[in-house]
Amino acid sequence: DQQVKQNSPSLSVQEGRISILNCDYTNSMFDYFLWYKKYPAEGPTFLISISSIKDKNEDGRFTVFLNKSAKHLSLHIVPSQPGDSAVYFCAALLTGANNLFFGTGTRLTVIP
Amino acid sequence: DTEVTQTPKHLVMGMTNKKSLKCEQHMGHRAMYWYKQKAKKPPELMFVYSYEKLSINESVPSRFSPECPNSSLLNLHLHALQPEDSALYLCASSYTLAGETERTSTDTQYFGPGTRLTVL
Repeated sequence: DQQVKQNSPSLSVQEGRISILNCDYTNSMFDYFLWYKKYPAEGPTFLISISSIKDKNEDGRFTVFLNKSAKHLSLHIVPSQPGDSAVYFCAALLTGANNLFFGTGTRLTVIP
Repeated sequence: DTEVTQTPKHLVMGMTNKKSLKCEQHMGHRAMYWYKQKAKKPPELMFVYSYEKLSINESVPSRFSPECPNSSLLNLHLHALQPEDSALYLCASSYTLAGETERTSTDTQYFGPGTRLTVL
């Protein structure tokens, strides 16, 4: 049972525009959410995270929004750059646990 | 510095071989993890070590044997693997463990580049 879901397997965006990647979860016991970026045959690179007690966290071009009532989070990248092209995974940690639950990933392509 | 290193980068082994994967971090992290990732799938947790002790084993077959010689090193010993064990093996580490403090950014897991394992 997939507790963290990314329903869009791919997304294409023009360079300079905003990229919005979405993630939904089913377990209300998740208390920490993370976004990772991954290139083929490499490990995930941590991008940004958010605690369940917040609704927004910003780091440079990356902003993560959390809507607990909807069990939904999103990653905004603005402006998008060609180097942002990769697979993006959202992940979540359960209260009191250390094992990450990953979504299935969204492949972002930023078109120059 | 958030670097986790893994060796080797690639490994090809037969079903009767014994090999080891190595992972190292020098960030003072107290928890280390092994994940397995098959093609087009998200990473799946295999083992968690906290303070050099095995704290989680996600029902992994005994042909995978983890070892944590010290707080900076994590090994995964492989023996009598099957072709379906071919995958990308990822190591990760985090500074804090769940329950030590309120959830903070120090629970973030940082991943190594992975070892691409092929079992023939």
